[in-house]
Amino acid sequence: KQEVTQIPAALSVPEGENLVLNCSFTDSAIYNLQWFRQDPGKGLTSLLLIQSSQREQTSGRLNASLDKSSGRSTLYIAASQPGDSATYLCAANTGNQFYFGTGTSLTVIP
Amino acid sequence: DGGITQSPKYLFRKEGQNVTLSCEQNLNHDAMYWYRQDPGQGLRLIYYSQIVNDFQKGDIAEGYSVSREKKESFPLTVTSAQKNPTAFYLCASSHGWTLFFGSGTQLSVL
Repeated sequence: KQEVTQIPAALSVPEGENLVLNCSFTDSAIYNLQWFRQDPGKGLTSLLLIQSSQREQTSGRLNASLDKSSGRSTLYIAASQPGDSATYLCAANTGNQFYFGTGTSLTVIP
Repeated sequence: DGGITQSPKYLFRKEGQNVTLSCEQNLNHDAMYWYRQDPGQGLRLIYYSQIVNDFQKGDIAEGYSVSREKKESFPLTVTSAQKNPTAFYLCASSHGWTLFFGSGTQLSVL
């Protein structure tokens, strides 16, 4: 069964810093990997989707990379802002099912 | 606006009572999912449905039931057999292996 791990569980950074969130998965046979943002008490908002054939995707200040062979994905956030404070989750898709990490709780300090 | 609507936002269950969480989507997606989220844990799959009138158990289906009579609707019933129902419940749909989420329902036990 696919296992997805996110490290660190929590991260605090000062405003303006660049940062990297990590996601690792045990089974490299994935269709895609999706990054989500979750605010407290809210649903998940999709940030980026990387297909298995892609190496990276970019949206504004966000860049996600995928290395299937090593079972890793990273989410890079440039010039962090207080509004980026949230929990970030990754999900690996193996067809019918999606496997989620436990998330990284990010706090950006003004 | 297209999206996934979950209701109610908050729900309270008395001991021995069955309660039903609503999930409606107007995205014309075939696949729909129910996840449970507990603090500090990743999302766990309860049930999923790929097409109307068909659904499969996920990892933690015991104590829950679903129906899929219409493409747009995928209600989840939390039965009295679920002894620890307090959690945040998320409904999702997918298109092209991309997941979209509703805003969630917080279920608590009185």
